[in-house]
Amino acid sequence: ILNVEQSPQSLHVQEGDSTNFTCSFPSSNFYALHWYRWETAKSPEALFVMTLNGDEKKKGQISATLNTKEGYSYLYIKGSQPEDSATYLCAFHNNAGNMLTFGGGTRLMVKP
Amino acid sequence: EPEVTQTPSHQVTQMGQEVILRCVPISNHLYFYWYRQILGQKVEFLVSFYNNEISEKSEIFDDQFSVERPDGSNFTLKIRSTKLEDSAMYFCASRTDRWGNQPQHFGDGTRLSIL
Repeated sequence: ILNVEQSPQSLHVQEGDSTNFTCSFPSSNFYALHWYRWETAKSPEALFVMTLNGDEKKKGQISATLNTKEGYSYLYIKGSQPEDSATYLCAFHNNAGNMLTFGGGTRLMVKP
Repeated sequence: EPEVTQTPSHQVTQMGQEVILRCVPISNHLYFYWYRQILGQKVEFLVSFYNNEISEKSEIFDDQFSVERPDGSNFTLKIRSTKLEDSAMYFCASRTDRWGNQPQHFGDGTRLSIL
């Protein structure tokens, strides 16, 4: 059973704060690490697909890093806005199949 | 932007009845998936489908479940003889290919409530 964990489970920050969360995943049989942003009552929205050790990706004020040797990825949000409030999911894709194994998510709430 | 659509958004069914959840994947995508999330738990993989057959399935996807692509657009998940523990949010996803750096694109989900 693949174990993908995210921390913290939830996070309350003030508007303008920068924040980061962690996703840990198996360091063997790695193919890709996906990050999704999921607002209530909507579909998960793809943020990044990361495949190379040391990868850094950026989309607006959101960025992510990847360490496949130690099995973790960080997601950073610079200057959080209330509209960044959502659950952020990471998902591990191993090299033996095409399913995604999801972490439990980090629920971010940004107060105005 | 093309999107994955799922119907219905909410389905309420008596235990023991059959349900069919419907999905229309993005038109040029080749791989199709079903996931579910039981309230308070992680999103779990159920099954992937390619070239009109199941390519991978989880332990959850037992004989009670089946998938079908009856025409060129719809992708369905059938649950025979539903149980209380089948209550969950069911998500359909599609992807252009199996490998590479493309994400899976998800629908809004169908909330299934078994009474």
